[in-house]
Amino acid sequence: KNEVEQSPQNLTAQEGEFITINCSYSVGISALHWLQQHPGGGIVSLFMLSSGKKKHGRLIATINIQEKHSSLHITASHPRDSAVYICAVRSRSSQGGSEKLVFGKGTKLTVNP
Amino acid sequence: NAGVMQNPRHLVRRRGQEARLRCSPMKGHSHVYWYRQLPEEGLKFMVYLQKENIIDESGMPKERFSAEFPKEGPSILRIQQVVRGDSAAYFCASSPQMGSRRETQYFGPGTRLLVL
Repeated sequence: KNEVEQSPQNLTAQEGEFITINCSYSVGISALHWLQQHPGGGIVSLFMLSSGKKKHGRLIATINIQEKHSSLHITASHPRDSAVYICAVRSRSSQGGSEKLVFGKGTKLTVNP
Repeated sequence: NAGVMQNPRHLVRRRGQEARLRCSPMKGHSHVYWYRQLPEEGLKFMVYLQKENIIDESGMPKERFSAEFPKEGPSILRIQQVVRGDSAAYFCASSPQMGSRRETQYFGPGTRLLVL
């Protein structure tokens, strides 16, 4: 079982729909990141959060530390939101060493006009 | 303020050749991370470096892979005697400093390595 699980793997929506992408993790973390990877491959950091909720434009990220779960919401989705959304947690491995990012496999979102 | 720069963006090598991937962090950033994204797989941590120091290389394959971040110049990820399984996208990220867990990482555009 992966330390970071995302659902769904693929998501197709119509323009204007409300989108939710979920992320569950099984390790102790100091922070959780949501990243966006465009079809061209570039990666952009959307949010970093360790508690509560953050909002940026039409994007909202929430985290529940007790339940080890985070959600990324997109309101009024648009075709330009089509991308892969990646959840990553900052965690220290059981083998020691530095804290490092552990990534989910990503959710591929397609928003149709 | 330029972002994280990686070059080349695309690299084609034949089996047995060497691949050198370069990463210039954002100005003022002294921490560099390398990640690998295999086809249809998620990103995986490879190595974490500060200037002239390897802090954590627990994600690096034991053989053929090495990384450095010299006092001057970019960070280099070096793959010797490449094999087809090394074909992947290699991303570099940088952050300003350790000490604060709130530091976010800024990603470069990646280098797509294709081994023929």
